[in-house]
Amino acid sequence: GESVGLHLPTLSVQEGDNSIINCAYSNSASDYFIWYKQESGKGPQFIIDIRSNMDKRQGQRVTVLLNKTVKHLSLQIAATQPGDSAVYFCAENYAGNNRKLIWGLGTSLAVNP
Amino acid sequence: GAVVSQHPSWVICKSGTSVKIECRSLDFQATTMFWYRQFPKQSLMLMATSNEGSKATYEQGVEKDKFLINHASLTLSTLTVTSAHPEDSSFYICSATGTSPIRTQYFGPGTRLLVL
Repeated sequence: GESVGLHLPTLSVQEGDNSIINCAYSNSASDYFIWYKQESGKGPQFIIDIRSNMDKRQGQRVTVLLNKTVKHLSLQIAATQPGDSAVYFCAENYAGNNRKLIWGLGTSLAVNP
Repeated sequence: GAVVSQHPSWVICKSGTSVKIECRSLDFQATTMFWYRQFPKQSLMLMATSNEGSKATYEQGVEKDKFLINHASLTLSTLTVTSAHPEDSSFYICSATGTSPIRTQYFGPGTRLLVL
């Protein structure tokens, strides 16, 4: 089912530090995972994705780690910048779900200058 | 690549009127489009899945006669909020995905609806 939350977890980091945002996903059958970034008043922006046959994938300044044993996903942002301040959502999908995404609650990242 | 636009970006209307929101994939063919609603500080709530040329599939609790969805082409889907009421005020976001097996959804910038 869908995840709807009333209180967004918040992560506050200093500019230049590394950020780690965590996500626990719900369905053991999920085999595709995506991280999105959403700035205030805007639509979600694709950051990086990973399939279940991988446990790590790197992009530009970002790394996604997947631990299927404990159904855990993380997004690491290196050298966090003020422009990284946003809400970050993880989303999962499993084959046969008509490509619908199941969304996490979101984490608000605040970068302090 | 994978740019999705939405129009209008914001709309204010009187209670009882209907509002149409357009979602376009600008540089790819979107076989499937999704419509979401989002309340402040909450996650995205899927309203319906729209496949080109067929009727939309609505999520449980979403009134299909209230939220009319049309996906007439591979680049355009529309959401019409009929007889809008203040409780329909929200942030509406569309996303689009290409041909299966692609599962990545690309999102539009969203439409802020305020019903007075």
